[in-house]
Amino acid sequence: EPEVTQTPSHQVTQMGQEVILRCVPISNHLYFYWYRQILGQKVEFLVSFYNNEISEKSEIFDDQFSVERPDGSNFTLKIRSTKLEDSAMYFCASRRTEMNTEAFFGQGTRLTVV
Amino acid sequence: RKEVEQDPGPFNVPEGATVAFNCTYSNSASQSFFWYRQDCRKEPKLLMSVYSSGNEDGRFTAQLNRASQYISLLIRDSKLSDSATYLCVVNANYGGSQGNLIFGKGTKLSVKP
Repeated sequence: EPEVTQTPSHQVTQMGQEVILRCVPISNHLYFYWYRQILGQKVEFLVSFYNNEISEKSEIFDDQFSVERPDGSNFTLKIRSTKLEDSAMYFCASRRTEMNTEAFFGQGTRLTVV
Repeated sequence: RKEVEQDPGPFNVPEGATVAFNCTYSNSASQSFFWYRQDCRKEPKLLMSVYSSGNEDGRFTAQLNRASQYISLLIRDSKLSDSATYLCVVNANYGGSQGNLIFGKGTKLSVKP
C-alpha cells in the first residue's frame, strides 16, 4: 500500500538553528500539506502546496517557515531559526484531489528544540 | 467559536460496550467530513468519511446532520484495539482554501477488559 514517508523520525536541535523536515508524498497525489501537533494539543494546519506553489498558509506559518518541492518527489519544510515553542510533531500529508478524498499522513517527525 | 468541537472525554468503557462520539462544526459551508483515529504519538489515520445519508462500516456508524452542523460516530461491540483518540475532521471549504483539514481536539477512548 502506498504511503507517505517522513524523515527523520526524531530531530533534536538547538534554539536558533535551522531544521529541514523531509517528506515523500504518495506519487500520484497532487496536494501536499504540513500539519503540526504540540504535545497534548490538536493537529493544526500549517500550509498547503499545489502546482509547485503555496496555496494556503495559516497564521502559524510565518516568515521563519518555508516549503519546497525541489525534485518532484520530496516535499520539505524548513524552519529557519527554531524557537522552543516550535517543539512539536510535524506531519506531512498528501491527497489525490482537493476535496472528498482521504488525506494520507506520514508517521511524523518529532522536533525537539532545546 | 471553535471551528470543530468534540466531547472532551476521556471515555473509559468495558469491552463490548457501545460508544458514541459527538462533534459540532462552525462553518456551514463545509462540505467534507471525516473521522480519523490517532494512536498515541502516531499519525492520524482515516477511520471513515461521513456522508449526508449516514454510513456504516462494520461496527462503526457515522452520521451527519447539516442543519445542526453535527457529526457523530458510533462504535458497537467495542474491542480493546479500539482504544485510541478519535478525531472529528472537517474540510475547510471557504475563501479559496485548498482543502486543508480542520481537526477537533479529539476524544480519547479506553476500552478495558
